[in-house]
Amino acid sequence: DAKTTQPNSMESNEEEPVHLPCNHSTISGTDYIHWYRQLPSQGPEYVIHGLTSNVNNRMASLAIAEDRKSSTLILHRATLRDAAVYYCIPVDYGGATNKLIFGTGTLLAVQP
Amino acid sequence: NAGVMQNPRHLVRRRGQEARLRCSPMKGHSHVYWYRQLPEEGLKFMVYLQKENIIDESGMPKERFSAEFPKEGPSILRIQQVVRGDSAAYFCASSPGRTDSHGYTFGSGTRLTVV
Repeated sequence: DAKTTQPNSMESNEEEPVHLPCNHSTISGTDYIHWYRQLPSQGPEYVIHGLTSNVNNRMASLAIAEDRKSSTLILHRATLRDAAVYYCIPVDYGGATNKLIFGTGTLLAVQP
Repeated sequence: NAGVMQNPRHLVRRRGQEARLRCSPMKGHSHVYWYRQLPEEGLKFMVYLQKENIIDESGMPKERFSAEFPKEGPSILRIQQVVRGDSAAYFCASSPGRTDSHGYTFGSGTRLTVV
């Protein structure tokens, strides 16, 4: 399983953009990069995923480095509701189970 | 389209009793994953099931824990003879299969308290 490195915590102000980095230097060629978040007292929530190209959806954007050894989750305008732990998870669709292996994630605090 | 349904939301058991946690995947999803989150800790994979099959149980404790996903009905995580250390939040996730076009959908969890 590919290992990931994320900052333990980050802070943002409301309505400002947030860039959450993730290093995954041991990622394999078949690993997709998934991002999930967990709000307090809730289950994890899917945010976005991608393989090589940058991806956008209604929640966020995902910028993937050309060498795929890192990626950045971009929240364009943080709201108080975005305060959560964010997890970057490589998922091997070529493997037997493609289960999610959660690391420690980044705790994002959003200040009003 | 209901999401992943877990019940009960909260479960209290005395030491030595059995706990049964249920997970109904999203409609059309045939793959279920169970995770455990101990207090103040991260999410740990427990088991991956498809209908009537256990695919990967590498994260399951060797004793007292079992899981099933029958042809009909929800997936069940069963903990026999619970101990205080089993107190945790248990989450399940479902997916339609091993494709690259989707994320995984999680339920709201069952919070087990062993007294």
